[in-house]
Amino acid sequence: EPEVTQTPSHQVTQMGQEVILRCVPISNHLYFYWYRQILGQKVEFLVSFYNNEISEKSEIFDDQFSVERPDGSNFTLKIRSTKLEDSAMYFCASSEASGGPAIYGYTFGSGTRLTVV
Amino acid sequence: RKEVEQDPGPFNVPEGATVAFNCTYSNSASQSFFWYRQDCRKEPKLLMSVYSSGNEDGRFTAQLNRASQYISLLIRDSKLSDSATYLCVVIKAGTALIFGKGTTLSVSS
Repeated sequence: EPEVTQTPSHQVTQMGQEVILRCVPISNHLYFYWYRQILGQKVEFLVSFYNNEISEKSEIFDDQFSVERPDGSNFTLKIRSTKLEDSAMYFCASSEASGGPAIYGYTFGSGTRLTVV
Repeated sequence: RKEVEQDPGPFNVPEGATVAFNCTYSNSASQSFFWYRQDCRKEPKLLMSVYSSGNEDGRFTAQLNRASQYISLLIRDSKLSDSATYLCVVIKAGTALIFGKGTTLSVSS
């Protein structure tokens, strides 16, 4: 079964540092997403990416965050100047294009646990 | 009012029991509805989409009531492996998923 792959599985960073979380979506998917889940809380939408641009973003996704699809396979989330409250599990997800998200939902990666110290 | 509300539980049931989870959503313009399952510290996995006519997948039955803005999930003949957190999810516009906080189910032998 096709998978969404995320690296690293766990990253520890010092407050104020920049981190880049990496994802390889399923190859024929065209919608890409980042979500986060703070421990004990609900999964929260950050941003969606389609046709090489951001299509939607939440209030959480401020100037501290950016996304990029640097080549044909990777999808990255950059967090500049990390804060303690950025500690969370970050999930990448992808979905098929033609009606995919609304019909088939998404496939999520196994996540990157970010710990800011 | 939260966008998606669920009873957090936990629901503790014996194997073989039938258990039902409920969910309400606040935005009447919501378009698509799902149940996801999340195991501890793992990613959410799609359990089933929810349609207005109701739909069934093996031991799982989902119902949607658009007038009441209410979604349900029924699990029959519970198995130990059903122990997880069940997430009610809607798409209100665009493609972003809006998650509830989840209902925890623990099935014991």
